[in-house]
Amino acid sequence: EAGVVQSPRYKIIEKKQPVAFWCNPISGHNTLYWYLQNLGQGPELLIRYENEEAVDDSQLPKDRFSAERLKGVDSTLKIQPAELGDSAVYLCASGPGRGGMDEQFFGPGTRLTVL
Amino acid sequence: GQQLNQSPQSMFIQEGEDVSMNCTSSSIFNTWLWYKQDPGEGPVLLIALYKAGELTSNGRLTAQFGITRKDSFLNISASIPSDVGIYFCAGRGTYKYIFGTGTRLKVLA
Repeated sequence: EAGVVQSPRYKIIEKKQPVAFWCNPISGHNTLYWYLQNLGQGPELLIRYENEEAVDDSQLPKDRFSAERLKGVDSTLKIQPAELGDSAVYLCASGPGRGGMDEQFFGPGTRLTVL
Repeated sequence: GQQLNQSPQSMFIQEGEDVSMNCTSSSIFNTWLWYKQDPGEGPVLLIALYKAGELTSNGRLTAQFGITRKDSFLNISASIPSDVGIYFCAGRGTYKYIFGTGTRLKVLA
């Protein structure tokens, strides 16, 4: 079974430029998460989807970050414009969403460097 | 953002030794997950715990869901060099997982 796929793996941009990350979850997984991981820290949730609905986006900085999950499968996370402090690893995870048994499986992440 | 406290922060151990680490929270959780993360990779799920007091093993790894539901423990027996990495706990309350600060494990051959 294929795991969570993310692209690109690495991205270097200049500040004020836009950037987008793509995630393809494990087939059949209804729940999709985007996390931010700063160096030396654990992942922090940005947004959680149940199918195509964003059910928790309370930690998403909506002035510059946006996300979508069209058709409840693939998802895209966008930053516009990027700031120096956005340099981090952006992780996507998916889960089966079975009530009470909600493991999360992570992709390899996209490492963003903002210059 | 909020992070759970993991202890120890880092540790060096000799190959063959057993390792213990824990994760504590001020909140009650319904689920605990333990992950291992290698450099440049995403976290890999090791063990999932769903009930207070539950003890679950995965090969040389054993994890326990604390009785108070505010803590969890991970043990690695007979460590080997490939156990090197960062171990994260994650606790879920109602809907959201909160991750720990990580325990960095280094194994000396």
